[in-house]
Amino acid sequence: KAGVTQTPRYLIKTRGQQVTLSCSPISGHRSVSWYQQTPGQGLQFLFEYFSETQRNKGNFPGRFSGRQFSNSRSEMNVSTLELGDSALYLCASSRTGTGDGYTFGSGTRLTVV
Amino acid sequence: GDSVTQMEGPVTLSEEAFLTINCTYTATGYPSLFWYVQYPGEGLQLLLKATKADDKGSNKGFEATYRKETTSFHLEKGSVQVSDSAVYFCALSPDRTGNQFYFGTGTSLTVIP
Repeated sequence: KAGVTQTPRYLIKTRGQQVTLSCSPISGHRSVSWYQQTPGQGLQFLFEYFSETQRNKGNFPGRFSGRQFSNSRSEMNVSTLELGDSALYLCASSRTGTGDGYTFGSGTRLTVV
Repeated sequence: GDSVTQMEGPVTLSEEAFLTINCTYTATGYPSLFWYVQYPGEGLQLLLKATKADDKGSNKGFEATYRKETTSFHLEKGSVQVSDSAVYFCALSPDRTGNQFYFGTGTSLTVIP
């Protein structure tokens, strides 16, 4: 079966721009989480959606937002990009988010110049 | 707050050597514990999990036991292979819903023939 698909794989943006990243979860999975991975901070939780509702949010500024559609696909948006937003953004999906572990996508590598 | 402390890397071992990667956690409730593995250029893959004290998770020759008394979840493998070279992450989910993970900083393992 198809895994978690993230698009695009690589992205280069200029400081001050905004960006939208996309995540298609495994078919039947309704929980989607987003993480930011950087060498300095490691993996940090951004937010989690279940059935189009944000259930949990990490400690990130309001420039980071997300949403989930009725087909469980999710997008995250970062506005007014800063150099420090350069990172690997990972999306993960789970059937219900009930402790059975998440399946991660390969990530979107965002570089802000 | 909840957190995971993981053994610093990098770790370099010869093929067939014994592997231990230490992981300790801090949590106020009854967390679930996970080990994830990340191969170069890929997303994270669930390696094993344990959802309550004294549970042992195992997969592909790797094992970890949930020790509440020592708040630990150390990863072990009796005989590593070159194909085990990857970055290993210990993770905690604060409750049984599992919709938010706290990750350790990751331990890079290189196995040489």
